Amino acid sequence: DVKVTQSSRYLVKRTGEKVFLECVQDMDHENMFWYRQDPGLGLRLIYFSYDVKMKEKGDIPEGYSVSREKKERFSLILESASTNQTSMYLCASSEGAKNIQYFGAGTRLSVL
Amino acid sequence: AQRVTQPEKLLSVFKGAPVELKCNYSYSGSPELFWYVQYSRQRLQLLLRHISRESIKGFTADLNKGETSFHLKKPFAQEEDSAMYYCALSPKTNTGNQFYFGTGTSLTVIP
Repeated sequence: DVKVTQSSRYLVKRTGEKVFLECVQDMDHENMFWYRQDPGLGLRLIYFSYDVKMKEKGDIPEGYSVSREKKERFSLILESASTNQTSMYLCASSEGAKNIQYFGAGTRLSVL
Repeated sequence: AQRVTQPEKLLSVFKGAPVELKCNYSYSGSPELFWYVQYSRQRLQLLLRHISRESIKGFTADLNKGETSFHLKKPFAQEEDSAMYYCALSPKTNTGNQFYFGTGTSLTVIP
């Protein structure tokens, strides 16, 4: 079974803090993705990466950055957290040829 | 631009009744279409994809290119079908295989 692991299930941070969300996959997938999930808005893509050190902006990259130094790990960084970044964050990975995304359990971030 | 529309945010049906979750898309090429499901307290997971032409947990979805729709159907709803359902589109590209998700439909099956 594909395993996508997000390091934290719940996080509470203060406005202005730098926040790191970590995601690790164990299936040697080329592609990794970060989404935020909000009621009524569905899943919106923040960033994705199709190779180590490669990144592409998604639909809502403002206020976020990412890092992919190793194939199995994809980090989402909030440089200066704001209250409007309170959300559920989902990480996913996929193998290019099979084009099925596998999701982590999610990190619920609250910014106070 | 790619877009996926799920017109119903909430859908309630009685157990044993047929259920249809609507999905319409706009895309100029030939995309791949998917249905993902999220049960309470579980992670988002693939339910089915159009190229597989499978029936999963009694659900089927037919891609109608003329109407640009990919509606999810089940003839007899069960209580365990209560979940959030997302329709997704993936353009066929050489890199990234980006997905575009709809806003989701929350299905409640009433006992």
